[in-house]
Amino acid sequence: GAVVSQHPSWVICKSGTSVKIECRSLDFQATTMFWYRQFPKQSLMLMATSNEGSKATYEQGVEKDKFLINHASLTLSTLTVTSAHPEDSSFYICSGRKEDTQYFGPGTRLTVL
Amino acid sequence: AQKVTQAQTEISVVEKEDVTLDCVYETRDTTYYLFWYKQPPSGELVFLIRRNSFDEQNEISGRYSWNFQKSTSSFNFTITASQVVDSAVYFCALSVSHAGGTSYGKLTFGQGTILTVHP
Repeated sequence: GAVVSQHPSWVICKSGTSVKIECRSLDFQATTMFWYRQFPKQSLMLMATSNEGSKATYEQGVEKDKFLINHASLTLSTLTVTSAHPEDSSFYICSGRKEDTQYFGPGTRLTVL
Repeated sequence: AQKVTQAQTEISVVEKEDVTLDCVYETRDTTYYLFWYKQPPSGELVFLIRRNSFDEQNEISGRYSWNFQKSTSSFNFTITASQVVDSAVYFCALSVSHAGGTSYGKLTFGQGTILTVHP
């Protein structure tokens, strides 16, 4: 297998502030990482594909200016939720791809007050 | 476009029962991967298995087994002698495996099956 970590595991913030979530591949290099969002009792929704050294590719309907993704190294991708609002509250999960398999981080629960 | 259907929204069994989770997929690609992931209450998705579209051999790993049938586009997952620790949401997923194109490497998930194993 492969290990992916996320930090923080949970965060509470005020409406209008920005929050950064880190995704790290601990024992492998991930040229490609993915960011998902999951609402309670629902499946995962892909937000964007993060490629090291290039711009992220966003899925239709995902605002790239609101969800800023940076993949500056082969082991780190970050997701910044800018000017967060209560409707952005969700469970955010990242994954790193290794040999055609995605390995997932433990997720970050974001609550925007 | 790809589609994965897990028709069973919730399954409830008593410990030691066998349980099968169904997964049906749709894709026009001839080369693809199928996956099963487990999401326990903690939230982290745990990788269980990956199967290549050219490999229809069934697989067994301990109490887990998988049945892949291209003729019916199904990739079912059976847990034998279920245990309380098996309680989780199980996701079936598909990705196309040829490099290039916008869908490469992306996972298409089913809606998930909530499995509850009662003691």
